Amino acid sequence: AQSVTQLGSHVSVSEGALVLLRCNYSSSVPPYLFWYVQYPNQGLQLLLKYTSAATLVKGINDFEAEFKKSETSFHLTKPSAHMSDAAEYFCAVRDSSASKIIFGSGTRLSIRP
Amino acid sequence: DTGVSQDPRHKITKRGQNVTFRCDPISEHNRLYWYRQTLGQGPEFLTYFQNEAQLEKSRLLSDRFSAERPKGSFSTLEIQRTEQGDSAMYLCASSSGLAANTGELFFGEGSRLTVL
Repeated sequence: AQSVTQLGSHVSVSEGALVLLRCNYSSSVPPYLFWYVQYPNQGLQLLLKYTSAATLVKGINDFEAEFKKSETSFHLTKPSAHMSDAAEYFCAVRDSSASKIIFGSGTRLSIRP
Repeated sequence: DTGVSQDPRHKITKRGQNVTFRCDPISEHNRLYWYRQTLGQGPEFLTYFQNEAQLEKSRLLSDRFSAERPKGSFSTLEIQRTEQGDSAMYLCASSSGLAANTGELFFGEGSRLTVL
């Protein structure tokens, strides 16, 4: 069965610092992977997706993620954090039947001034 | 706004009462999903529809839960005899076409249920 594990339920960085949110996946088939973001009082929005094309995927707001098969990882990064990046971030994987996506437990990102 | 809309946004009810949530997907989307999210957790899949057909239901969806999408457009999620453990955010999402093939979903803002 497909699953994702997010390491760290809460990450805090200073404004302007590198953001790194970790996600490892387990999949019996080549995975389709996603990062979604949930801002306070808003619905989940797709940040970026990996669908077996380029291993480095660029998303909105300068976020990017790299698919590493050897490490079964799909970590999310951003070179310089902005106060507006404070939100909950969810890693997700499409299940093998392609009928739904399965979410991780989330990482709350806080930005220190 | 042509995104996914959910109603009501908040619902407070007493244990044992029935509640119903409505979801209006993006108009051209043929897939519609319901997820549940509790505090500190990621969304958990409940069920999904392709047009009016309910194709999959999670084991999380007990007999007290029922979902419909009668004409392949809007959907309702009803919870009968609510329990305190049903308190959660109920999320609706829709998808279609290439996005559906990759699994990309478009979410509404959710309906928050509090059972007293």
